[in-house]
Amino acid sequence: NAGVMQNPRHLVRRRGQEARLRCSPMKGHSHVYWYRQLPEEGLKFMVYLQKENIIDESGMPKERFSAEFPKEGPSILRIQQVVRGDSAAYFCASSPETGQGYTFGSGTRLTVV
Amino acid sequence: AQSVTQPDIHITVSEGASLELRCNYSYGATPYLFWYVQSPGQGLQLLLKYFSGDTLVQGIKGFEAEFKRSQSSFNLRKPSVHWSDAAEYFCAVGAYRPGGTSYGKLTFGQGTILTVHP
Repeated sequence: NAGVMQNPRHLVRRRGQEARLRCSPMKGHSHVYWYRQLPEEGLKFMVYLQKENIIDESGMPKERFSAEFPKEGPSILRIQQVVRGDSAAYFCASSPETGQGYTFGSGTRLTVV
Repeated sequence: AQSVTQPDIHITVSEGASLELRCNYSYGATPYLFWYVQSPGQGLQLLLKYFSGDTLVQGIKGFEAEFKRSQSSFNLRKPSVHWSDAAEYFCAVGAYRPGGTSYGKLTFGQGTILTVHP
C-alpha cells in the first residue's frame, strides 16, 4: 500500500515561470490537504480539498496560487509566475475521513532562482 | 483561532536520558491534538494523537503524551532517548467545522529540534 506520493521531489523554477506540484493520496483516501513549510518555520495550512471540491482555501495566497483535486488523477497545486518568496517545501497529506489525523507525503521542495 | 506554542526551539539530550517536549495550545473547545516527527528532507510521520478519553496517549517508537486541559498542554515524553530519535518534532491542533465536527485542518507549532549526544 503506497503512501502519499508527491512529485517531483525537487523542482527548480525561474522567476515568472509556473510550478505544478502533484499529489496522489493513499488508496481509499478522498481528503487532501496542502501545507507549506518555509525555511525555519512550521507548516502552514494552505487548502483542503475533496474530490472535485475545495472545502477550505483560507490559507491560500489570494493571487497566483490555485489547487484542484479532480475526479480522476492526482491533486495539483499550481503556482503561477513564481517569485523567490515561493521557495519552500510543499507537503500534501491525505486522510480517509475527517479529523483522524492524516498521512503526509515526502514533500516537494521548490526553489525559485 | 487556534494556536500552538512550542517554547523550546532546540533541545539537546544524551542518549538514554529521558525527554520531554513541551506544547501549549490555544483553542476554544476540546481540541484534537497531534505530535509529528520530521527527519531532514522527509515528510512528517504521526507519532500519536489525542481525540478524547484517556488523557495519557501512547504512540509509536516508545513516545507518549499527556493532555492536561487545565494547563492547555500536550507534552511529549520518552523515558529513554535513542540516537535515532534526533529529528524535528511538531505539535499540532485540529480545527472544528462549524457544527462541532472536525474536518482535519491542522495548526502547527514552530517545531522543536532534538539533538541526541552519544
